[in-house]
Amino acid sequence: SQQGEEDPQALSIQEGENATMNCSYKTSINNLQWYRQNSGRGLVHLILIRSNEREKHSGRLRVTLDTSKKSSSLLITASRAADTASYFCATGLGFGNEKLTFGTGTRLTIIP
Amino acid sequence: SAVISQKPSRDICQRGTSLTIQCQVDSQVTMMFWYRQQPGQSLTLIATANQGSEATYESGFVIDKFPISRPNLTFSTLTVSNMSPEDSSIYLCSVQTGLRNTEAFFGQGTRLTVV
Repeated sequence: SQQGEEDPQALSIQEGENATMNCSYKTSINNLQWYRQNSGRGLVHLILIRSNEREKHSGRLRVTLDTSKKSSSLLITASRAADTASYFCATGLGFGNEKLTFGTGTRLTIIP
Repeated sequence: SAVISQKPSRDICQRGTSLTIQCQVDSQVTMMFWYRQQPGQSLTLIATANQGSEATYESGFVIDKFPISRPNLTFSTLTVSNMSPEDSSIYLCSVQTGLRNTEAFFGQGTRLTVV
């Protein structure tokens, strides 16, 4: 079964609005990462947050991590049409286990 | 970072045949992974491709169905054998260039349709 469950499954917002996606996971992790996928192509890494971090920023992206609730959120501010894509969280266990386990994904549509 | 060239980008295959997907990386990497993404779904790890030894398969995936080669630190192949329509998916090659779950880099994927 998938490690991460994301919600919402799909999200449509107007350009310029903020988009928030959530990810929940089941086991202790070393880090959590967010990826973007455009139209079924390869994934692009967005941001990584480690288990001892609570918040991280990168440009218009803000990620939070709450290890007590086993959840993370990705906020995209001032959305653009080019942000239309699927977004996946992925968890890494570390400790010599390098595999990533991907969540179910959120399909984000930005309406111009 | 790493740049990955994956080919073919797409193919339509007859059931019962096999397809080999190639993944070429522009630098030597330790960790290479193969994923499957069924239509509208998330990524599922098929196996970890180990250089110089057999691949490590995840539960539900077997070597006879998905043989993998890793002849060196920059190249790997995944074969989808004896295909059926249920194998229609996007297959993705991924690498990680460091230890402890650094970011993963992905090829553009192979969109496979089995008819």
